Amino acid sequence: DTEVTQTPKHLVMGMTNKKSLKCEQHMGHRAMYWYKQKAKKPPELMFVYSYEKLSINESVPSRFSPECPNSSLLNLHLHALQPEDSALYLCASSQADLDNEQFFGPGTRLTVL
Amino acid sequence: GDSVTQMEGPVTLSEEAFLTINCTYTATGYPSLFWYVQYPGEGLQLLLKATKADDKGSNKGFEATYRKETTSFHLEKGSVQVSDSAVYFCALSPFSGGYNKLIFGAGTRLAVHP
Repeated sequence: DTEVTQTPKHLVMGMTNKKSLKCEQHMGHRAMYWYKQKAKKPPELMFVYSYEKLSINESVPSRFSPECPNSSLLNLHLHALQPEDSALYLCASSQADLDNEQFFGPGTRLTVL
Repeated sequence: GDSVTQMEGPVTLSEEAFLTINCTYTATGYPSLFWYVQYPGEGLQLLLKATKADDKGSNKGFEATYRKETTSFHLEKGSVQVSDSAVYFCALSPFSGGYNKLIFGAGTRLAVHP
């Protein structure tokens, strides 16, 4: 299995809602990543987990809360988002050592009303 | 800091034309270099990679050579197809213990017409 899956594919939420994005991989990767991608822009790194511990937080607002319950799962909890948070959210995973490419999921298209 | 610069798009070609997308980088040390492709409405897929100087990555007719002397990793394909229409991202991964932090270029949109 060389796939990263993400659910849901699309999500529409209001600014007062709480929702979660989910990401799963079964490749035995021990590094997992969340990216945010706005239209016609490259992905921007948000968070990195290595061996289930948060290694990088790229100064992301606290309304985004990541969670890594085990080595195969990565969640992104959303609360009190703003319309400018509307974007494609991509999850990726990789081996936790040098020179290994990241495998990306298809993304969740988030719209905040 | 580390950075990647790609040629601006869009690049518009006819089917079977030769493709070059330029990519240069700035980095300390010896990063790994990647080309990712993103088709409309999808996530990113690794197209090819190179991990040291003079390595040539290749896949699906695409090639790129890691040139340390010119800090470049240009993407080439001899004969493009309509199905190659997508956005192409050049990226580098500097040394990091325990994970690979990717630094992306701005992306180059390729449109291939029949």
